[in-house]
Amino acid sequence: DTAVSQTPKYLVTQMGNDKSIKCEQNLGHDTMYWYKQDSKKFLKIMFSYNNKELIINETVPNRFSPKSPDKAHLNLHINSLELGDSAVYFCASNRGAQETQYFGPGTRLLVL
Amino acid sequence: AQSVTQLDSQVPVFEEAPVELRCNYSSSVSVYLFWYVQYPNQGLQLLLKYLSGSTLVKGINGFEAEFNKSQTSFHLRKPSVHISDTAEYFCAVTPMNRDDKIIFGKGTRLHILP
Repeated sequence: DTAVSQTPKYLVTQMGNDKSIKCEQNLGHDTMYWYKQDSKKFLKIMFSYNNKELIINETVPNRFSPKSPDKAHLNLHINSLELGDSAVYFCASNRGAQETQYFGPGTRLLVL
Repeated sequence: AQSVTQLDSQVPVFEEAPVELRCNYSSSVSVYLFWYVQYPNQGLQLLLKYLSGSTLVKGINGFEAEFNKSQTSFHLRKPSVHISDTAEYFCAVTPMNRDDKIIFGKGTRLHILP
C-alpha cells in the first residue's frame, strides 16, 4: 500500500539517451511534483501538476518534460541525457499549500 | 519572493545530548512552515509543520519547533538525540496565497556521535 511509488529505483545510462521515470500516488492528491536532488543534497523543484495542468516550471531545460496521463500519475521524460543530469529525482504529492508533501523513494540516475 | 536559510550545513552532536537546527526565512506574505527529514537513501518525510495557533509545534520522534514571527525563524529542537536521528533535515516554507509553491532550505546534516 505504498503511497507514492517511483520506477525505476536505479537508472544507469549513456549520455545522449532518452529515458523516462514513472511516478504514481494512491492518496487521491490533486498536486504532484518532481524534484532534483544533487550530490550536495540541495533539493530543487522542477515541476508540479495540479489536475493535469502544469503550474510550475522552474527554469528547467526543455529536455525535461513531465507527462500526466491522469491525476494519479506524473511521469518525467528526459531527452538527450547529459552528465549533469546525474542526481536523485523525487516525486511527491499533496492536497494543497498547507498540506504535507508525501515523497517517493527516489530514482537514482547516473549518466555515463 | 520567499527564501529559506539553514545556517548550518552540518551539525555534530553526541548521543543523548540536545540539538537545535536553525532555520530563518524571508517572505513578503504570510507562510506555512515545515521541517522534513531525509534518512539515508530514502525520500523526505514530514517531521512537523506550523500553520497557525500555538507557536510551539510538536512533531514525530520527539522533535519540536518554535515559530518566531519577529525573528522570522523556525528552529528545530530535540532534548536528547539518538543514533537513529542521523539524517538530513530540511526546513521549507509555502506562501499562504499559493497552492503550488514550496521553497526548501539547503538542508542540515545531523551527525550523531557515539
